[in-house]
Amino acid sequence: GEDVEQSLFLSVREGDSSVINCTYTDSSSTYLYWYKQEPGAGLQLLTYIFSNMDMKQDQRLTVLLNKKDKHLSLRIADTQTGDSAIYFCAESSGTGGFKTIFGAGTRLFVKA
Amino acid sequence: KAGVTQTPRYLIKTRGQQVTLSCSPISGHRSVSWYQQTPGQGLQFLFEYFSETQRNKGNFPGRFSGRQFSNSRSEMNVSTLELGDSALYLCASSLASSSGEQFFGPGTRLTVL
Repeated sequence: GEDVEQSLFLSVREGDSSVINCTYTDSSSTYLYWYKQEPGAGLQLLTYIFSNMDMKQDQRLTVLLNKKDKHLSLRIADTQTGDSAIYFCAESSGTGGFKTIFGAGTRLFVKA
Repeated sequence: KAGVTQTPRYLIKTRGQQVTLSCSPISGHRSVSWYQQTPGQGLQFLFEYFSETQRNKGNFPGRFSGRQFSNSRSEMNVSTLELGDSALYLCASSLASSSGEQFFGPGTRLTVL
């Protein structure tokens, strides 16, 4: 079945770049997402990319997709303490409705 | 534009009881999905509704059910609650199946004692 894997923890210093990696198994994935969850809150959609794209940039966020290796990454430039949160990678086939599969989440710690 | 709203935000029930959770999607959104989030299992897909029809279903027992109304509001019901049903239940809405954007509500935290 479909599976999404990501590392559980990442620690960076304030001002550095953060790179969170994710791999997925479903070759029919149409959409690949990055969500952010802060303590006690729901999921905030940060960005998403279509499977026919290689890269998407949105202000401090850069998403890279290697479809051949089924590898997705999220780069956060100039990481701030407010970026400390759990980041979820997710994929959806987008056909016949949504059935989004999430990774376990990467907890990002930003040290001042 | 108001976001996805879920009620109630917190709920405490005892084993064997049943519970109904409500989700109001963003205005104009016709797709509503439900997810269960627990520390052990992470985020798991429950089901998705579009125009009052269930289109997709995850691997949950029949105690978990849902429905969608003509105004796109959705409810999920869990019968015969078990301790393991304690979780954050998240609802997400999307404009249509062709849109990649799925927006989440704040969730309902259910505690089963």
